[in-house]
Amino acid sequence: DGGITQSPKYLFRKEGQNVTLSCEQNLNHDAMYWYRQDPGQGLRLIYYSQIVNDFQKGDIAEGYSVSREKKESFPLTVTSAQKNPTAFYLCASSVVEGRQPQHFGDGTRLSIL
Amino acid sequence: AQSVTQLGSHVSVSEGALVLLRCNYSSSVPPYLFWYVQYPNQGLQLLLKYTTGATLVKGINGFEAEFKKSETSFHLTKPSAHMSDAAEYFCAVSDQRTYKYIFGTGTRLKVLA
Repeated sequence: DGGITQSPKYLFRKEGQNVTLSCEQNLNHDAMYWYRQDPGQGLRLIYYSQIVNDFQKGDIAEGYSVSREKKESFPLTVTSAQKNPTAFYLCASSVVEGRQPQHFGDGTRLSIL
Repeated sequence: AQSVTQLGSHVSVSEGALVLLRCNYSSSVPPYLFWYVQYPNQGLQLLLKYTTGATLVKGINGFEAEFKKSETSFHLTKPSAHMSDAAEYFCAVSDQRTYKYIFGTGTRLKVLA
């Protein structure tokens, strides 16, 4: 079955450490997205990519970085510059059209040690 | 700019009662609208979508939503709530220019026995 796989499910970060969240999709979608979810705030867009080797900042990109070297993969790095990284992170993908919905992974919960 | 407003961050209904979750949007072009459901520690699952055509849209699990252009609304309903409907629900609109998706802040539905 096609879908989106996020790993790990739970991740812990130490002070000053960069951590990378994995997102892989086998839906053949061109567009991929990273969202941060905090209680009561809905989904906030971190970065998105509509094609390989290209990506754009979302609403809260500071302290995060991404790469899109392959169509199937869109890893997110939470850098030490992100001072409040504790959140639930969701990866999504879609066709680049707008009429079709996004497909979501099951998320990664990041906590600070 | 497009936006989505969900009235009521928490809604409680009795089992068997009508479920009504409210969503209003703003858009300068005909919108593409979506409702998603999220269970704890999981990603979002699509319930239903409106693109064009019939304004009453039926989705999974007995949910439906009606697109009302004059009211800029896309409220989600279900005639009879079930305990398994307890979850968080998100309304979203897609931006046809940037292909970004804008989410509401979510409504947590509680079903009382």
